[in-house]
Amino acid sequence: GQQLNQSPQSMFIQEGEDVSMNCTSSSIFNTWLWYKQDPGEGPVLLIALYKAGELTSNGRLTAQFGITRKDSFLNISASIPSDVGIYFCAGRTGNQFYFGTGTSLTVIP
Amino acid sequence: GAVVSQHPSRVICKSGTSVKIECRSLDFQATTMFWYRQFPKQSLMLMATSNEGSKATYEQGVEKDKFLINHASLTLSTLTVTSAHPEDSSFYICSASNQGRGEQYFGPGTRLTVT
Repeated sequence: GQQLNQSPQSMFIQEGEDVSMNCTSSSIFNTWLWYKQDPGEGPVLLIALYKAGELTSNGRLTAQFGITRKDSFLNISASIPSDVGIYFCAGRTGNQFYFGTGTSLTVIP
Repeated sequence: GAVVSQHPSRVICKSGTSVKIECRSLDFQATTMFWYRQFPKQSLMLMATSNEGSKATYEQGVEKDKFLINHASLTLSTLTVTSAHPEDSSFYICSASNQGRGEQYFGPGTRLTVT
C-alpha cells in the first residue's frame, strides 16, 4: 500500500533539545495520527488530528494538521531519554490508513 | 480507553505447523481490524483488513490461504499462519479501529519464530 514520506529518517539529539519531524503525502487525508513504537512493542497513539489547521498538544508533544490536508508535523520539546523510539505518522481516508516510513529518535543523555 | 490485547506475545513453532494469534479490543467495539507484519527497523506492512462478519481484504502479495483471518465479533479477530516456514518468522501486530472515531489502536505484537 501507499507509504507517506516521513522525515527525517533518523535523529540523534542531546537531552533537552527540541525535535521536529514531518510527513507529507500526495493525497488528502481526513485524519492525521502520530504514533511512537518502542522495541518489541506495538505502536502507541500519541496524538490524533481531525481538521485542517488543527494544532494539538499532549504534554511536551505538539502536532499540526497541515492546511492543505497533505502534511503534518510533530514537535517534541525538551527531549528526555525515554523519548527514544520510532515515531510513525499515519493518514486516514475513509477506512484506509497509510503509514509513514518512521523516524528513529535517539536521545543522548 | 482504547486498549487492544494480542495473544500470544511470543511463539516458537516448528516448520509445517500452524499458529493462531488472537487480537481483542478490550474496551470498544472494533468495526475494523488490521493485521500488520513488521521486519526489523522497518515500517508496518499491512497484510489484511477485516470487517466484522465479512471476509478479510488482503493486500497484494499476501497469500490468503496461508494467512487465515477471521473477524467473528466486534472485539475479536484471529490470524492463523498455516504451514509455517522459517521465512514467516516476523513481528505480527494487529490493530483495531472504530470508524466513528477515525483512530487506530495497536496491540502489543506477537513475535513468531519458526524453526
